[in-house]
Amino acid sequence: ELKVEQNPLFLSMQEGKNYTIYCNYSTTSDRLYWYRQDPGKSLESLFVLLSNGAVKQEGRLMASLDTKARLSTLHITAAVHDLSATYFCAVDVNDMRFGAGTRLTVKP
Amino acid sequence: DVKVTQSSRYLVKRTGEKVFLECVQDMDHENMFWYRQDPGLGLRLIYFSYDVKMKEKGDIPEGYSVSREKKERFSLILESASTNQTSMYLCAAGRGALNTEAFFGQGTRLTVV
Repeated sequence: ELKVEQNPLFLSMQEGKNYTIYCNYSTTSDRLYWYRQDPGKSLESLFVLLSNGAVKQEGRLMASLDTKARLSTLHITAAVHDLSATYFCAVDVNDMRFGAGTRLTVKP
Repeated sequence: DVKVTQSSRYLVKRTGEKVFLECVQDMDHENMFWYRQDPGLGLRLIYFSYDVKMKEKGDIPEGYSVSREKKERFSLILESASTNQTSMYLCAAGRGALNTEAFFGQGTRLTVV
């Protein structure tokens, strides 16, 4: 059974700081996705990672995938308040399974 | 962009009622999913479908069934609603063969009283 584990589950950081969110999964897969969810809203796709070593960047967020380690990271650079949200990783092995989410709060 | 539309944003039902949650997508995607989202548990897969009339159980199918009679529509059915099915329900659609991400509907917050 596929398990997807994110850590940390809660993250409070100050503006301008850097941090990394980790996503580990238990079964071989080379398809991993990152989503963002704002309070009361649905999920919005951030990144699609489809191969070992894939790296994608959008603004202050950068995602990478290491399929051998079964690990993806979402790195936040110089955080700003607008990045406050819950971030989910999801692994695609015939279906799509999600981690528990990381609730990020960026404080001034 | 893919549009995924769920029939209701908020729903209140009584225990024992049969409940239908409808989801429609407009981009001809093969895969459709139903998840429930609860605080601290993330999204848990209830059922998914990879083609018309095809369905597969997810992690928590008990108490639910699904129907996919047309490619664009995927329905979640609570045969006899119970209070522990109070949750946010999210529908998603994705193009399985081309490895694209899934697109989500706005969610249905169901309260069973």
